[in-house]
Amino acid sequence: GAGVSQSPRYKVAKRGQDVALRCDPISGHVSLFWYQQALGQGPEFLTYFQNEAQLDKSGLPSDRFFAERPEGSVSTLKIQRTQQEDSAVYLCASSYQGEVESAPLHFGNGTRLTVT
Amino acid sequence: AQSVAQPEDQVKVAEGNPLTVKCTYSVSGNPYLFWYVQYPNRGLQFLLKYITGDNLVKGSYGFEAEFNKSQTSFHLKKPSALVSDSALYFCAVRLGGYNKLIFGAGTRLAVHP
Repeated sequence: GAGVSQSPRYKVAKRGQDVALRCDPISGHVSLFWYQQALGQGPEFLTYFQNEAQLDKSGLPSDRFFAERPEGSVSTLKIQRTQQEDSAVYLCASSYQGEVESAPLHFGNGTRLTVT
Repeated sequence: AQSVAQPEDQVKVAEGNPLTVKCTYSVSGNPYLFWYVQYPNRGLQFLLKYITGDNLVKGSYGFEAEFNKSQTSFHLKKPSALVSDSALYFCAVRLGGYNKLIFGAGTRLAVHP
C-alpha cells in the first residue's frame, strides 16, 4: 500500500463530541497537508506540516481544531466540541519535498464527518 | 489575493468529442498551476502541472492543458472524451514555498455515450 491512508473512512458524531481523524502519509514524504472539503466545494487548506513541525495553521477555522504530527509521519486532526458546520470531508495529502519543487500532492480518500 | 476561478459548474460533452474545462487565475509573480480529478468518494488525483516552459502541458489519461499568460487562463483539454472521464475536476494554484495549493470550486464533467 503505497498511497496515503486515512481512517476512519466515515465518522458520525453528535454535536459537542470530540473526534480524531488519522492520516498515514506515503513513507518518506516530508510534507503533510490537511484540507476540508464541504459538499459541492473545492478543498480548503487547513494546515501544513514539514516533518513534525507545523509551519502553517492559518486555515484552521477555530481553536476547536487541532492537528499534530509528533514523529513526523502519522498525523491526527482533532476537532473538539463538534458543530454541524464541521460536517465535511477531511482530506490529507502528502508530498516529497526536497530538490523537486512543486511535487504533486498525493491525497488520501478522506474521512467524511457528519455531525448530527 | 491569489486565487483560481472555474466559471462552469458543469460541462457536458458527448463521448468522442473534444472537451475543455476552463480555469482562470489571479496570482502575483509566476504561477504554478495544477489540475486534479476527483472520482466519487475518492481523494484527488494529480493530472498535470504547469511550472515553466512550454505553454501546452501534457498529463495523465490523455489530458493536456494550455497556459495562456495574457488571458491568465489554464484550461484543461482532451481531444476525445471518454465516458470514464466523468468526474469532478479542480484547478489549483500554488502558494508559498511548500506546495500549499489553493483550489477552485470544481467543475463537474459529464460525458454521455
